[in-house]
This record gives sequence, C-alpha cells and structure tokens, in this order.
Amino acid sequence: NAGVMQNPRHLVRRRGQEARLRCSPMKGHSHVYWYRQLPEEGLKFMVYLQKENIIDESGMPKERFSAEFPKEGPSILRIQQVVRGDSAAYFCASSPLGLNTGELFFGEGSRLTVL
Amino acid sequence: DQQVKQNSPSLSVQEGRISILNCDYTNSMFDYFLWYKKYPAEGPTFLISISSIKDKNEDGRFTVFLNKSAKHLSLHIVPSQPGDSAVYFCAASVVGNQFYFGTGTSLTVIP
Repeated sequence: NAGVMQNPRHLVRRRGQEARLRCSPMKGHSHVYWYRQLPEEGLKFMVYLQKENIIDESGMPKERFSAEFPKEGPSILRIQQVVRGDSAAYFCASSPLGLNTGELFFGEGSRLTVL
Repeated sequence: DQQVKQNSPSLSVQEGRISILNCDYTNSMFDYFLWYKKYPAEGPTFLISISSIKDKNEDGRFTVFLNKSAKHLSLHIVPSQPGDSAVYFCAASVVGNQFYFGTGTSLTVIP
C-alpha cells in the first residue's frame, strides 16, 4: 500500500526556469494538499484540490504558481519563472475524505533549489 | 499572520524523562488539533489528534492536552526515547477547512 509519492525528490533550477512538482496521492484518496516549508519556518498551506477542482488556493502566491489535479494522473504544482526565494521543500499530502477527517498523509517532499 | 505558534524551537530531554512540547493558537474557532512528527528528509507523519470537545487524548506514551480558555495545547511524551528525536509540528483547523501548522520544535532525547 504505497504512500503519497512525490517526484522529483530534488530539483535544481536556474532563475527564470520552470519547476514542476508531481504528487500521487495514496490509493483511494481524492483530496490533495500542497504545503511549502521555507528554511527555518513551518509548513505553510498553499492549495487544496480534489479531482479536477481547486477547493482552496488561499495560500498560493498570486503570480507564477499554479496547481492542478486532473482526472487521470498526479497532481502538479507548477512554478513559472522561478526566483531564489522559491527555494524550499514542497510537501504534498492526501486524505480520503477531505479535511473533516483530520489526518493528512504526507509525502517525503520535493526540495527545490533555485540557483 | 501566524495563527499557530510553537515558541520553543528546540528542546533537549534525557532518555526516560518526560518531554513537553507546547503550542499556542490565536483563532478561537479552531476545533481540531493534531501533532505531527518529522524526521530529516522525510515528510511529516501523524502522531495524535484532539478535538475541542475533549481536553485530553492519550495514545501509549503520547498524551495531548488542550486548554481552550488559554488557547494552548501540549504534547507529553513519557518516557522519552532516543527514537523520539525529531521535529514536532502542531496543527489546528476549523473542521472542514485547511490546517495551520506551527513552526516546529526540534526535540533531542539524550541517551
């Protein structure tokens, strides 16, 4: 029973390039959440998605960041024209029934380094 | 706007003693609270939860206490073991809404 799978685990990009981070939720989970952890900081909520729907994107920066969770395939967090401040660990979590159940299952994270 | 705060970035405890990790929140509407444990280079894993209708929840060596009037919760680990050394995050939510995480407390259990 595979857990939440994130790839790549490590990604290096130069300023101005695009970063794509992928997340496959646990089997049977249809709710996906993206969090960002900046150095020396806690986990910051970015976006909550269900299949083909964005439920809450209140934590997403207004520009350059987008997320999707298509009917088929993994959820994608896309960062366009990356800047050094985007360097962080990006964690994806999933849950079976949405936030009412409380517990989130996290992946191991994708560490983005912007040179 | 940090709605969940963990004011102690680090804590060291002797093996066998009690570890007490603290968490404060500002939003009185929060009604569900969780603790997560995180090892380096891994994702957080769920540890224990408590809803606002309770003031205590226990699971083995781990107990979470909730003081709603003080907007404070704490995680007690007893007895502490070296394997408990990790970063502990508390999180809070209004059920059905997103979770807000604290900045974490790094616990070191000294053998």
